[in-house]
Amino acid sequence: ETGVTQSPTHLIKTRGQQVTLRCSSQSGHNTVSWYQQALGQGPQFIFQYYREEENGRGNFPPRFSGLQFPNYSSELNVNALELDDSALYLCASSWEDQPQHFGDGTRLSIL
Amino acid sequence: QKEVEQNSGPLSVPEGAIASLNCTYSDRVSQSFFWYRQYSGKSPELIMSIYSNGDKEDGRFTAQLNKASQYVSLLIRDSQPSDSATYLCAVSGNTPLVFGKGTRLSVIA
Repeated sequence: ETGVTQSPTHLIKTRGQQVTLRCSSQSGHNTVSWYQQALGQGPQFIFQYYREEENGRGNFPPRFSGLQFPNYSSELNVNALELDDSALYLCASSWEDQPQHFGDGTRLSIL
Repeated sequence: QKEVEQNSGPLSVPEGAIASLNCTYSDRVSQSFFWYRQYSGKSPELIMSIYSNGDKEDGRFTAQLNKASQYVSLLIRDSQPSDSATYLCAVSGNTPLVFGKGTRLSVIA
């Protein structure tokens, strides 16, 4: 039990739709990172938020966007969904540059 | 392109044996190294972190780091069927975590 909670657990969308995924970081953690994990692959870094500011971004298009709130919870928004966006989306929190701990993830399926 | 390479496996070991998992990385400035365990359908769970050359032991797990060779390994002693999972190597420096694809370990009872 890491204390990082994600919602929803599962989600089914169709191509072109928009989705918002949510993450509550572990108490005391000020850094949140989002990852996309396709089947059989390692997690791929999407972006990181540190004290409400984007603090690094991976090789994902601008239709992937995010927010971090004053309580350090975070959202991942994906617009214009594509079939290849089907994956497990993972949120990880940490204090500063300490090791990251993952939530249980949101499994997104695009039809 | 910063890369982390792992043998995808599956690596099969008998119960009670030592499982050895290996990882190489391309970015020489990497400073922090992690091993995560991921059960099927679950999220990654941090099991070891290592920051300096040498060995670090925690229970049945030993992480080994050789920065000169850009090599990280994880040894699991007295392997149990419950250790069957995918083991992800992750590396960071001045950049966020970069993960390998993972090695699938199967411990046979």
